[in-house]
Amino acid sequence: QKEVEQNSGPLSVPEGAIASLNCTYSDRVSQSFFWYRQYSGKSPELIMSIYSNGDKEDGRFTAQLNKASQYVSLLIRDSQPSDSATYLCAVRRASGAGSYQLTFGKGTKLSVIP
Amino acid sequence: NAGVMQNPRHLVRRRGQEARLRCSPMKGHSHVYWYRQLPEEGLKFMVYLQKENIIDESGMPKERFSAEFPKEGPSILRIQQVVRGDSAAYFCASSPPRTGGPFSGNTIYFGEGSWLTVV
Repeated sequence: QKEVEQNSGPLSVPEGAIASLNCTYSDRVSQSFFWYRQYSGKSPELIMSIYSNGDKEDGRFTAQLNKASQYVSLLIRDSQPSDSATYLCAVRRASGAGSYQLTFGKGTKLSVIP
Repeated sequence: NAGVMQNPRHLVRRRGQEARLRCSPMKGHSHVYWYRQLPEEGLKFMVYLQKENIIDESGMPKERFSAEFPKEGPSILRIQQVVRGDSAAYFCASSPPRTGGPFSGNTIYFGEGSWLTVV
C-alpha cells in the first residue's frame, strides 16, 4: 500500500485558472504536511506547510487539510505559466520511529497553458 | 534552499567505482538528511544525521551505502562499488535543531542535488 498518493498528471489548466492538486496518505499518525514544488532537474522547494485541519492561505496558494479523511490539497489561484512544475506532497509522523522522515508522493505534474 | 550546498552537482562513475557526495547544511542547521530520487520516482528518505551521530538510517540500502556527518566538515554520502541502479539524484536537506514544541525545527530545506550517473 502506497503511503502517500498523488495523481501523476499531467494536470493542465489555462493561465489565470485555479489549479487543484490532491494528496491522500495512509499513516493516521501523520502530523505535519508539506507541499513542495520541483522544476525539472531542480531541487524541491517548500511552498506550504500545514499542521491543523482547515485551510491555510499564503498568497496565491491555499493548503487544505482533512485529517479524518486523510486528505491534503493545494489550490493555486491565478495560475501562471511559471507555476508549471511537479508538485510533491510530503507527510511526517508525529513521533516515534520515522518521525524525522518526510514521506513523499510521486508528485503531480502541473502544466499551465498560456 | 540555496543555503544547503551540495557537490558535486553532477558525477559520472563507472560500475564498480566509488561515489562520494558532500553536503554542507544551512548556517545554524545541525540536522542533515539524505534523500534519493530515482528517475520517475518520488523522493525516498535514506538517512538522518546530526553531528557525529546517525539518528535514523532506515532508508539506507544495507550494503555499499554509508553516511557520516563529522564534527568538522560536510556530511558525506558514500556509495561503494556503484551499479547502474544507483543512478539517481541525491538530495541533501537540513533543518535547525528542535528547540521546543512539536513543530519546532520541522521544516527542512533541500540543496540543489547531486546527479549521479553510473555508466
